[in-house]
Amino acid sequence: QLQLQESGPGLVKPSETLSLTCTVSGGSISGSTYYWDWIRQSPGRGLEWIGSIYYSGSTYYNPPLKSRVTISVDLSKNQFSLELRSVTAADTAVYYCARHPTNFGVDVWGQGTTVTVSS
Amino acid sequence: QSVLTQPPSVSAAPGQKVTISCSGGSSNIGNFFVSWYQQLPGTAPTLLIYDNNKRPSGIPDRFSGSKSGTSATLVITGLQTGDEADYYCGTWDSSLTAGVFGGGTHLTVL
Repeated sequence: QLQLQESGPGLVKPSETLSLTCTVSGGSISGSTYYWDWIRQSPGRGLEWIGSIYYSGSTYYNPPLKSRVTISVDLSKNQFSLELRSVTAADTAVYYCARHPTNFGVDVWGQGTTVTVSS
Repeated sequence: QSVLTQPPSVSAAPGQKVTISCSGGSSNIGNFFVSWYQQLPGTAPTLLIYDNNKRPSGIPDRFSGSKSGTSATLVITGLQTGDEADYYCGTWDSSLTAGVFGGGTHLTVL
């Protein structure tokens, strides 16, 4: 059974870079036909798709965040990662890693990790 | 402001039926499959419906989805108190080249 687990700092200072890693177990990123996602949810708000990466390294980013986001994949570790630069309090959220097939039915989610941006 | 529009809240009594709408446009719902998610308090979302109307293994047939034009609908019948949650629709948007979600609908089972 595929499982996703987010890891990274729970507190980031304003203007710094938020870095999270998602470890995939029970399956392989390499050669799969899935896209690997980062999705966030600000307190009391809805879901916001941040971006996706394919095992080949192709990436897709949400336009409002595109200038600050980099998603990368490490096939040797079966992990993919998120970097969000120049963070502000508005980036405080629960960050989920997830996956979706071509049709964007996000079928596996990590448990989520809370990231607070504060000095 | 979400690309997909959902009512903020709906409510119904146990045993009744509720309908949740999701409205979009030709660059998203009109040309792509819709999925629906249930988020229970304090937990990650789970996939309820994919490809407009298909249920993943383990999802009861009380949950059903449909799509017409640029709108989609989630129907829940035989409501149970355990269905009280937030529900989100999602799809791909070709104009944004991005995944998009609705703002979410909170279901209260009275």
